[in-house]
Amino acid sequence: QKEVEQNSGPLSVPEGAIASLNCTYSDRGSQSFFWYRQYSGKSPELIMSIYSNGDKEDGRFTAQLNKASQYVSLLIRDSQPSDSATYLCAVNDMRFGAGTRLTVKP
Amino acid sequence: KAGVTQTPRYLIKTRGQQVTLSCSPISGHRSVSWYQQTPGQGLQFLFEYFSETQRNKGNFPGRFSGRQFSNSRSEMNVSTLELGDSALYLCASSLGTSVEQYFGPGTRLTVT
Repeated sequence: QKEVEQNSGPLSVPEGAIASLNCTYSDRGSQSFFWYRQYSGKSPELIMSIYSNGDKEDGRFTAQLNKASQYVSLLIRDSQPSDSATYLCAVNDMRFGAGTRLTVKP
Repeated sequence: KAGVTQTPRYLIKTRGQQVTLSCSPISGHRSVSWYQQTPGQGLQFLFEYFSETQRNKGNFPGRFSGRQFSNSRSEMNVSTLELGDSALYLCASSLGTSVEQYFGPGTRLTVT
């Protein structure tokens, strides 16, 4: 079992829709969780961090953490074509999932 | 505030050679981590340095090594290059461990 798992996608949503990205992790003692966005040919850039159970909102992005179920998700509201990228989930900084490729169609 | 810088951006080496990559973190950041990214394996952790000490190490052979200087700049070295070492090498800096990381643009290494 991989330490951090994500659906590889691709996930395709129409413009204006909500994109939902999910991530599960195996280490129950994990304390910090991060979402990064990576455009093709670019390096990852931090979108959000979350440390406590519940929701954390930042603009169109909402991160959700459920430590009991060992999953973390990222919701992107009002998706835009510019959101098309690969989204990487990271646990405790150094353990990354394989990423989910998101395509937002105009 | 300037971001993370990496040099060189592109590198072509021959199998058996060695290579040194450099990373300058964001000012004030004392932690530097290195990652290898390939299409097949994704983003894989190499090692982390904090205040010149290696704090964590990923599952890579001893051919991969690194160091950090007193000004927090870091270098990683790969000896006896293999074709499979062709990858994007990313450096990330942060204030500490298990907090937000900020990535540099990466060094694209091609081994022929």
